[in-house]
Amino acid sequence: DGGITQSPKYLFRKEGQNVTLSCEQNLNHDAMYWYRQDPGQGLRLIYYSQIVNDFQKGDIAEGYSVSREKKESFPLTVTSAQKNPTAFYLCASIPTGIFSGGYTFGSGTRLTVV
Amino acid sequence: EDKVVQSPLSLVVHEGDTVTLNCSYEVTNFRSLLWYKQEKKAPTFLFMLTSSGIEKKSGRLSSILDKKELSSILNITATQTGDSAIYLCAVDNYGQNFVFGPGTRLSVLP
Repeated sequence: DGGITQSPKYLFRKEGQNVTLSCEQNLNHDAMYWYRQDPGQGLRLIYYSQIVNDFQKGDIAEGYSVSREKKESFPLTVTSAQKNPTAFYLCASIPTGIFSGGYTFGSGTRLTVV
Repeated sequence: EDKVVQSPLSLVVHEGDTVTLNCSYEVTNFRSLLWYKQEKKAPTFLFMLTSSGIEKKSGRLSSILDKKELSSILNITATQTGDSAIYLCAVDNYGQNFVFGPGTRLSVLP
């Protein structure tokens, strides 16, 4: 079955550490997105990519980095520069050029700073 | 700046009640409005609305768009405990990504 796989489901980060969240899709979608979800704030866009080897900053990109070396994969690194990384992170994808109507989401990664 | 607002932010009802969730938007360009249900992890797609006044229905859930009022409502009739979730509203503004509202947290008590 096609879908988006995020791993790990839970991640704990120590102060000063960089951590990487994985997002893999087998839907052959062109565009991929990373959102952060905090209670009461909805989804805020971190980064997005519409094509391999290209990505754009979203509204809250500071302290995060991404890469898009393969169409299927869009990993997110939370760097030590992100001062408040505890949140729920969602990866999403959608085919571009098609008015398909909606994202497909992964199941999310819950990141906690310890 | 494009914005999506939802109300109420939180709602507690008893099984069998009918609820109405609201979404309003201010965007430069509008293509569609989408509703998602998020129970524990991944939001799942409910409806996409593009035309005013045409109701979309799926079982006990229905939704309608009012482009004049820049708003949409999501109705859930005869609520069940399984309807407990966060309901997200998003707008496709022909941009690079959708603009999401803060969500409405619905709790249905037995």
